Amino acid sequence: GQQVMQIPQYQHVQEGEDFTTYCNSSTTLSNIQWYKQRPGGHPVFLIQLVKSGEVKKQKRLTFQFGEAKKNSSLHITATQTTDVGTYFCAGLRGSSNTGKLIFGQGTTLQVKP
Amino acid sequence: EPEVTQTPSHQVTQMGQEVILRCVPISNHLYFYWYRQILGQKVEFLVSFYNNEISEKSEIFDDQFSVERPDGSNFTLKIRSTKLEDSAMYFCASSRPGLAGTYTDTQYFGPGTRLTVL
Repeated sequence: GQQVMQIPQYQHVQEGEDFTTYCNSSTTLSNIQWYKQRPGGHPVFLIQLVKSGEVKKQKRLTFQFGEAKKNSSLHITATQTTDVGTYFCAGLRGSSNTGKLIFGQGTTLQVKP
Repeated sequence: EPEVTQTPSHQVTQMGQEVILRCVPISNHLYFYWYRQILGQKVEFLVSFYNNEISEKSEIFDDQFSVERPDGSNFTLKIRSTKLEDSAMYFCASSRPGLAGTYTDTQYFGPGTRLTVL
C-alpha cells in the first residue's frame, strides 16, 4: 500500500541552529499537510501544500512540495526551544476521494538552550 | 476559533468491554475521521465518514469497530470488544469540503481520547 517515509526520526539541535525534516511518498500526492505535535498533545495543523513545486513560508518555517508531488520538506531557521515537538507530514494520495491521510513516522525535534 | 472536541479525555476499560468514544466536529464541517496513535508511533487512519456513511476504512477498522453520527453534532467510534492492542490515543478530525467536493481541505484534529485496555 501507499507509504509515506519521513526522516530523520530524531534530531537534536542547539538553539539557533537550523532543522530540516524530509518526507517521501511511494505514490503521487494530491496534497500534503504538515502537523506539529507537542508531547502529550494532538496534531496541530501547520500548513497544506497543493501545487507542484510550491513553497510556503510561515515566519521561520519554510515548506516545500516537490515537482513530482511525491516529496516535501520542512525547514526551520534558527530554532527556538518553542519549536520542540514532533513534526508529521501527512499525504493525501492523488486518487483519493475519501480524505484518508497517510502520515509519516514523524521527526522529533529537541532543542538545547 | 472553532475546535474539535472529544470526550472522555481518558478511558480505562477491561479487555472485552465495549467503549464509545465521542467527538463533536467543527460545526460547518461535513467530513469526519478517526485516527489512532499508539504511544510513540505515527498517526494511523481508521475511517472516514461523509453523508452518513463510511467512505473508506483501514485494515485496522475491523468488525469490532463502528462509527455513527447519532445527531447533528456528535460523531462516535465504538469498539465492541476491546483488546489489549486497542490501547492508544484516538483522534477525531473533521474538514470542510475541498474544491469540487473533494476531501482536500485541511483536517483539524481534536485533543484525543487516551484508551487504556487492561
